[in-house]
Amino acid sequence: QVQLVQSGAEVKKPGSSVKVSCKASGGTFTSYTFSWVRQAPGQGLEWMGRVVPSYDMANYATKFLDRVTITADKSTTTVYMHLSSLRSEDTAIYYCVTVDLGVDYWGQGTLLTVSS
Amino acid sequence: EIVLTQSPGTLPLSPGDTATLSCRASDSVNSDYLAWFQQKIGQTPRLLIFGTSTRATGIPDRFSGSGSGTEFTLTISRLQPEDFAVYYCQHYGSLIYTFGQGTKLEI
Repeated sequence: QVQLVQSGAEVKKPGSSVKVSCKASGGTFTSYTFSWVRQAPGQGLEWMGRVVPSYDMANYATKFLDRVTITADKSTTTVYMHLSSLRSEDTAIYYCVTVDLGVDYWGQGTLLTVSS
Repeated sequence: EIVLTQSPGTLPLSPGDTATLSCRASDSVNSDYLAWFQQKIGQTPRLLIFGTSTRATGIPDRFSGSGSGTEFTLTISRLQPEDFAVYYCQHYGSLIYTFGQGTKLEI
């Protein structure tokens, strides 16, 4: 069973960047694909991108292509999501998630608040 | 990039009813890669269905999925009070995944 533990809440200024981490345990890290999904207050789910640690490969939603970088550190079994040029609309809860054999595993979520 | 459009936006029903939720894709998708998630207020989403029609672990058989091409459906029979939540479809069959905007199932 996979457990995903994310870093804590962040408050950032517009124009700055943030890096959120997601520590995976309890499974074989390189056998999973990890996605980042965000949810703004009162809004729906938004897929941002994914990383495949076994291939060191990442893919991104078109909307975030120029602002997000998702990486995986196999040595620490940790996935990272770096989001730059922050604006108020980026205020949301950010989740890392993986699905394995029909079971989904979600991190607890990281609240990012972007405010001047 | 595939766009998923869910309908209706809100679906008012009562316990015991049958709910039919629709998810329409902007282009034909491989049915092996269409999923449904449920999200209750204050909780993380939960996978219900993957591969269009396969129930995830622990999901009761009141939940069923069907469809192909661009039209997919989640059917919830004999609605229970705990089923009133928001439901999202997701396509994950390409390098870029997408979610629909959600359908709120309300009493």
